Amino acid sequence: QKEVEQNSGPLSVPEGAIASLNCTYSDRVSQSFFWYRQYSGKSPELIMSIYSNGDKEDGRFTAQLNKASQYVSLLIRDSQPSDSATYLCAVNGGYGNKLVFGAGTILRVKS
Amino acid sequence: GAVVSQHPSWVICKSGTSVKIECRSLDFQATTMFWYRQFPKQSLMLMATSNEGSKATYEQGVEKDKFLINHASLTLSTLTVTSAHPEDSSFYICSGPTGAVRDTEAFFGQGTRLTVV
Repeated sequence: QKEVEQNSGPLSVPEGAIASLNCTYSDRVSQSFFWYRQYSGKSPELIMSIYSNGDKEDGRFTAQLNKASQYVSLLIRDSQPSDSATYLCAVNGGYGNKLVFGAGTILRVKS
Repeated sequence: GAVVSQHPSWVICKSGTSVKIECRSLDFQATTMFWYRQFPKQSLMLMATSNEGSKATYEQGVEKDKFLINHASLTLSTLTVTSAHPEDSSFYICSGPTGAVRDTEAFFGQGTRLTVV
């Protein structure tokens, strides 16, 4: 079983719609959860971090965490073509500050 | 925010040669840095944890004699790919640590595209 799982996509949404990205993780002791955006040929850039159950909003982005279900999601409101990228879910394993990444979900926003 | 500078951004080398990649923390001191490798259409895979003043910690399956890591100061970690082969061609990325303090993100370098011909 993979430690962090994501649907590879591609997820296609029309411009202005809400994009919903999902991630599950296997290690119950995980404490920190991150969403990164990666454009082709570039390094990942942090979009959101979340540490507690519930929702965390930052502009058009909302991260949701449910530790009981070992599930974390990212909602992107008013999706723009510039949001088209691969979104990586990452989990801090709680030891050594190492991040474990999911395979990423490709998002395509069509104008 | 913290900045990690990685150099070079791309390199082409001949099979059998060695390549050194540098990762510098520009505005913070890093006792720990992480080195990742990413093959096309795949996610980031942690290769090793670089520890200032001590030996690096390698992930299972990563050859420590092939991927030499040196962390000689609090601002510089280097990865040397020795006797590179075409299968080593990949995108190598370093990062500063996710902090013990909340909301401290992992700061990634720009990445190095290595092509071995």
